[in-house]
Amino acid sequence: LAKTTQPISMDSYEGQEVNITCSHNNIATNDYITWYQQFPSQGPRFIIQGYKTKVTNEVASLFIPADRKSSTLSLPRVSLSDTAVYYCLVAQLDSNYQLIWGAGTKLIIKP
Amino acid sequence: KAGVTQTPRYLIKTRGQQVTLSCSPISGHRSVSWYQQTPGQGLQFLFEYFSETQRNKGNFPGRFSGRQFSNSRSEMNVSTLELGDSALYLCASSRGAEGGELFFGEGSRLTVL
Repeated sequence: LAKTTQPISMDSYEGQEVNITCSHNNIATNDYITWYQQFPSQGPRFIIQGYKTKVTNEVASLFIPADRKSSTLSLPRVSLSDTAVYYCLVAQLDSNYQLIWGAGTKLIIKP
Repeated sequence: KAGVTQTPRYLIKTRGQQVTLSCSPISGHRSVSWYQQTPGQGLQFLFEYFSETQRNKGNFPGRFSGRQFSNSRSEMNVSTLELGDSALYLCASSRGAEGGELFFGEGSRLTVL
């Protein structure tokens, strides 16, 4: 099974770009990588999902190198409201749909 | 469309009691997964059901159990409650295949006294 590792916490400032990296060894060919955002006392919310290379949506980008052993969530021009916990998830489709969650990165945005 | 609904939202129990939590997934979703989250901690995976079958289980004692009905609604049960079971219990639904997006409910906050 894959194991996901991400930093426990990060700080940044409003208007900056923030990159959060998740390491996931033993990732299989068909596994998907997804990132979620969670605010206190709420359920996590989907941010972005990818399989390889780069994916971009209206709120974030996801970079996945060719070896797929890591992925980087990029948040452009963060604001105070981006202060939250960010989780990476590897969905292992060939292992009876195992869901491997990272421990979460607490991102604090300062003014 | 309606989101994932969890009931009850809040409940208080005493040690030794049991509790049942309910999760209604988004219409058409066949997978429901459950998580325990204690203050300041990450998501601890409990189990996942797909089409009424438990596909995966996390490292929790047998006091934690679950089931899924034919309409995809799911319940989880915790027997012989302990103080350490106080937590936010989240469920998430998805189509259950191709690594699709998980949609989370707002959770059931359990306090064990």
